[in-house]
Amino acid sequence: EVQLLESGGGLVQPGGSLRLSCSASGFTFSSYAMSWVRQAPGKGLECVSAINAGGGTTKYADSVKGRFTISRDSSKNTVNLEMNSLRVEDTAVYYCVKGWDSGFDWFDSWGQGSLVTVSS
Amino acid sequence: SYDLTQPPSVAVSPGQTATITCSGDKLGYRFVSWYQQRPGQSPVLVIYQDTKRPSGIPERFSGSNSGNTATLTISGTQTMDEADYYCQAWDNNYYVFGSGTKVTVL
Repeated sequence: EVQLLESGGGLVQPGGSLRLSCSASGFTFSSYAMSWVRQAPGKGLECVSAINAGGGTTKYADSVKGRFTISRDSSKNTVNLEMNSLRVEDTAVYYCVKGWDSGFDWFDSWGQGSLVTVSS
Repeated sequence: SYDLTQPPSVAVSPGQTATITCSGDKLGYRFVSWYQQRPGQSPVLVIYQDTKRPSGIPERFSGSNSGNTATLTISGTQTMDEADYYCQAWDNNYYVFGSGTKVTVL
């Protein structure tokens, strides 16, 4: 059974930084793309970043480009999201999401989510 | 940027058919996926590659995609199907989600 466990969320001031981590199990982690998808309170879904299976290709939403960095460690089965220069509008539940295969296509398993609140 | 348009809400009676549309320019040339999100829960993939159901998803969920419109159909809708539904496609090297449709089972 696929399990995705996010950690690292919390309250941070505008301009601050936060690092989200996702621990994956139940599948061959190194064979699948991974993504972070967020959902602001009462709003829809937005993919903020994705990384392919090999880690050599990354994607970012325009709204976070230059501020967020995605990375993965296949020795630890983890995917991370480093978030800098955080803004109030980054407040959301952040989901760790497994891709269908090694590239970028669709999302087949979601974590429970980690709440990030950016507020002074 | 590429936009996917969904109706904000759809109402359906138990046992009837719910139809949710997702519209975008030449959407029929792209693969569309659909996600169900029940209140307070994480999204779940219900349709991928336009028409395919992941294992464990009931047969009452079906999908189609042609022209500018993709459609998610729920046949014999049950109260447990009350949820938000999002379509998703890939455009210009990135993921795009629709704005979501709230399905209410009256």
